[in-house]
Amino acid sequence: DAGVTQSPTHLIKTRGQQVTLRCSPISGHKSVSWYQQVLGQGPQFIFQYYEKEERGRGNFPDRFSARQFPNYSSELNVNALLLGDSALYLCASSFSPTGVDSRNQPQHFGDGTRLSIL
Amino acid sequence: GENVEQHPSTLSVQEGDSAVIKCTYSDSASNYFPWYKQELGKRPQLIIDIRSNVGEKKDQRIAVTLNKTAKHFSLHITETQPEDSAVYFCAAGFDNYGQNFVFGPGTRLSVLP
Repeated sequence: DAGVTQSPTHLIKTRGQQVTLRCSPISGHKSVSWYQQVLGQGPQFIFQYYEKEERGRGNFPDRFSARQFPNYSSELNVNALLLGDSALYLCASSFSPTGVDSRNQPQHFGDGTRLSIL
Repeated sequence: GENVEQHPSTLSVQEGDSAVIKCTYSDSASNYFPWYKQELGKRPQLIIDIRSNVGEKKDQRIAVTLNKTAKHFSLHITETQPEDSAVYFCAAGFDNYGQNFVFGPGTRLSVLP
């Protein structure tokens, strides 16, 4: 089975621009989370979506937004890019079956999108 | 909110020795504690996890212990090999139809041949 896939793998933008990052979860996974990983640091939680609804939001400004589609894929949008937004953006999915105790299911990461802001 | 600390930030061991990485967390509501290994330029990979109702879990050369009272958990790697060299992250969180994790800052483990 394919793992979590993210696109694009690399992206270069300039300050003030907008960017959209995409994530396809593992087949059957309904929960998707987004993380920002700055070089040399641990991933920082941005958003979590389950069944197209936002279930969690980290301490990021409103310039960051996301959505999940009926096929459980997800997009992360960042507006008015700043130099500090340069990072590896990771998507992770987990299996959360309806009607079953879905707590504490392992989370699987994609390879990420490396975003560079000039 | 949750805050996770991780020590040491760097760790060098001789091949065959054991390595221990320790993490503390602040939110008593956290109930799930995964450990991830991240090699340079690659995705974080889950290596072991533990739930709050368990005190210890082992998978071959890797083990994790959890002390809920003290709010700390540790990763133990025995018989280290050069391929164990990577950055290791602990995380703490709770499930909300998925995972909402706070990661530690990471430990760079170097296994010297």
